[in-house]
Amino acid sequence: QVQLQESGPGLVKPSETLSLTCTVSGGSISDYYWSWIRQPPGKGLEWVGDVYYSANSDYSPSRDSRVTISVDTSKNQFSLKVTSVTAADTAVYYCARPRGQSQSDAFDIWGQGTLVTVSS
Amino acid sequence: DIQMTQSPSTLSASVGDRVTITCRASQNIRSWLAWYQQKPGKAPKLLIYKASSLESGVPSRFSGSGSGTEFTLTISSLQPDDSATYYCQQYNSYWTFGQGTKVEI
Repeated sequence: QVQLQESGPGLVKPSETLSLTCTVSGGSISDYYWSWIRQPPGKGLEWVGDVYYSANSDYSPSRDSRVTISVDTSKNQFSLKVTSVTAADTAVYYCARPRGQSQSDAFDIWGQGTLVTVSS
Repeated sequence: DIQMTQSPSTLSASVGDRVTITCRASQNIRSWLAWYQQKPGKAPKLLIYKASSLESGVPSRFSGSGSGTEFTLTISSLQPDDSATYYCQQYNSYWTFGQGTKVEI
């Protein structure tokens, strides 16, 4: 049973870089797409972007150039970086995997989520 | 971007009631629609994919229908454990979510 676990600082100062890692356990990171989704407190869900195990990444059409998603197959991990953060980046960040090996599918596997607060 | 609009935003119903949530897409998404249930402090849980396919392990009181731009999630007999926020999500072009429907019992 594949499981995902987010990790990273829970507090980031404005203008600094938010860095999160998602560790994949119970299966290989190969052959799948891996996504980041965020949810500001009390608000809805927003897909941020994804990465394929081969390191090709794709981002929301309204993508922010501050966002980078990468993969480390040797560690079975993928990562999210958001530079120059503001309070608007405060959210619970989830990593997730689609049901199948197609990029376009519903997400059936989610991490538990990690709250990142941007504040001085 | 494809916009997803859910209605109602909040719904109050009693145990045993039949409940329907509607989701509209701003353009044709064929059947590439999913429904999720989210409880406070938890990750979303997939209920329905491809508009009407029930995810493994999800109770059969949940069902989905629709295609194109209009979709519905139905709970045939509301149970206390169904108190949650429900989101629709399109995956025809990238992924966008509706704003959520909070179901209160």
